[in-house]
This record gives sequence, structure tokens and C-alpha cells, in this order.
Amino acid sequence: TQLLEQSPQFLSIQEGENLTVYCNSSSVFSSLQWYRQEPGEGPVLLVTVVTGGEVKKLKRLTFQFGDARKDSSLHITAAQPGDTGLYLCAGYGGTASKLTFGTGTRLQVTL
Amino acid sequence: GAVVSQHPSRVICKSGTSVKIECRSLDFQATTMFWYRQFPKQSLMLMATSNEGSKATYEQGVEKDKFLINHASLTLSTLTVTSAHPEDSSFYICSARAGGLWYQETQYFGPGTRLLVL
Repeated sequence: TQLLEQSPQFLSIQEGENLTVYCNSSSVFSSLQWYRQEPGEGPVLLVTVVTGGEVKKLKRLTFQFGDARKDSSLHITAAQPGDTGLYLCAGYGGTASKLTFGTGTRLQVTL
Repeated sequence: GAVVSQHPSRVICKSGTSVKIECRSLDFQATTMFWYRQFPKQSLMLMATSNEGSKATYEQGVEKDKFLINHASLTLSTLTVTSAHPEDSSFYICSARAGGLWYQETQYFGPGTRLLVL
């Protein structure tokens, strides 16, 4: 069973602060995706990373895929209240054609 | 991006009744559809994978006779919760993926269905 552990589980910060969310596994993933989910809605894809060491930027969000493709991180610069939500990493591992979801990180950004 | 819809968005039913949830891919053909369950403040748990025209593959611990999945066309999959009980109350989310190489295809998620069994 491939597990994706996210840390921290919960993060409450003030507007303007920076934060990093981690997604770790002992397994290798062929690709890894990050989603954001708001209450009562389905997850929305933010980014897909495929290559070990890859870094992708999406405005204030920076995503990195570990060199060994076992871990990933999401860094948010100058967080805003609109960034509030549940952040989920998910990956395709080995030959598995189904996504394994991480444990989730709940982010709350206050004014 | 591609759109996946679910119907209904919320449903309340009495214990012992069956509930059907529909998942539709609106602007693409979904070779594969997935059904997830999410409890409050938790991540998504995959229940089953369905490919159009074939039987669904259920994850370990998911009762196939209780959660009936039908993927009759390339744009529609249904999940029927049979003889629902209060412990089946949850947020059910479907996702759809087009054909081609699975690791290159994006999974698009529906908005979810909140089921409350009284």
C-alpha cells in the first residue's frame, strides 16, 4: 500500500505569512498532483509534477517534486484568506492507474 | 478545464432505502470513472474504479453489493447505495478521466454529493 503523509495536518496563519506543506512517502510516484478543496465541493487540480526535482510556480504557489520522486512540497508566499481550504497531494505510484491521496492539510488564513 | 457534474448535490433519506447518485462528464468522454468517499475533515478514500462497459473494481473493504456502480456510457456513471444506514452518511465524490495513457490524463472531480441517512 502506497501512503502519502502530509504535514502539518492543520495550519492557521495570518494574512501575509508564508507557509510550506509537505507530502512524503516511502514509495516512488510517477507523477504527483496537488489539489485544493473547499468545504462542500470537490477537489480542484492546482498542478501536476512529473519529473524528479521539478519546480512549478503558479502565482504565489511554488510546487516542488523531490529528486527521488517520493516527496513534494507546496510553498505559499504572502498567504491570503482566499487560500483557505484543504490541500491534498495525490500521486500515481508505480504501475497503479489510480490516484493515492495524501492525508490532507487544512489551511486557515485570517485577516 | 473539463467539467464533471454530480446529481443530486445533497440527499437525505431514511434508513433502509436506496439512493442513486449520478456522475456525468459534460464535455469529454470518460473511459474511467472513480468513486470516492470523504468523511468530515479527512482525505478522499477511493471506493471503486469503473471502466465503461465493464464491472467496477472495488477497493478492499468496500462492499460491492452495498455500493452498486454502473458505468453504462462514456459520460455517465452511477453509484447506488443500497439499504442505506446512518453510517453510510458521507460526502461522495466522483471523478472522470479520459482515455489514453493514464498517467498523462488528468482526473477531473465532480462537486460531490452529501448523503445523510436518518
